[in-house]
Amino acid sequence: GAVVSQHPSWVICKSGTSVKIECRSLDFQATTMFWYRQFPKQSLMLMATSNEGSKATYEQGVEKDKFLINHASLTLSTLTVTSAHPEDSSFYICSARDPRTGGTEAFFGQGTRLTVV
Amino acid sequence: ILNVEQSPQSLHVQEGDSTNFTCSFPSSNFYALHWYRWETAKSPEALFVMTLNGDEKKKGRISATLNTKEGYSYLYIKGSQPEDSATYLCASRTGNQFYFGTGTSLTVIP
Repeated sequence: GAVVSQHPSWVICKSGTSVKIECRSLDFQATTMFWYRQFPKQSLMLMATSNEGSKATYEQGVEKDKFLINHASLTLSTLTVTSAHPEDSSFYICSARDPRTGGTEAFFGQGTRLTVV
Repeated sequence: ILNVEQSPQSLHVQEGDSTNFTCSFPSSNFYALHWYRWETAKSPEALFVMTLNGDEKKKGRISATLNTKEGYSYLYIKGSQPEDSATYLCASRTGNQFYFGTGTSLTVIP
């Protein structure tokens, strides 16, 4: 299957600082990538859809000024958590669909565990 | 938001036992049902995609069934092995969006 790589796998940052998470499609081009967040004992929840060359689409309740998404190339999307606070501590994971397989399957990165102290 | 539920939340079985889990989803606006196997610190690995009522898929000792009319899917593992230990995640897809369950954590005891 297609490979999606996400970095870093974990990060600890101080409250008020910003953290950037990268999501790369290694062997295919992805015009669209998806960012999810998972709180303990809860399901993966879609935060936003990242579109190459245009603005991201955010789900209801997700602050676009806090979670900045940039999809500057067909293989890279970044999520920046700005002015992070302890309540932003969560597991963040990206996914992309491989157009070579009709886009029916979602391929995931390894996820990023963010801890804000 | 679609409510996708998985049960049980966690499961411990002995090596060699067969087991199964359930994924329940709303049957309205259904497009596809996805199963993933997710090991800690790794990417979720796609197991099956099913779209039609009555679909059955099999990969080695793992198989899955789909009932779109009543809104459930079963995942079966025959003769569980320690390497099967992982979280099994299902997702219901409606159009362009995936809605995930919370997963079933399986531990196979040698």
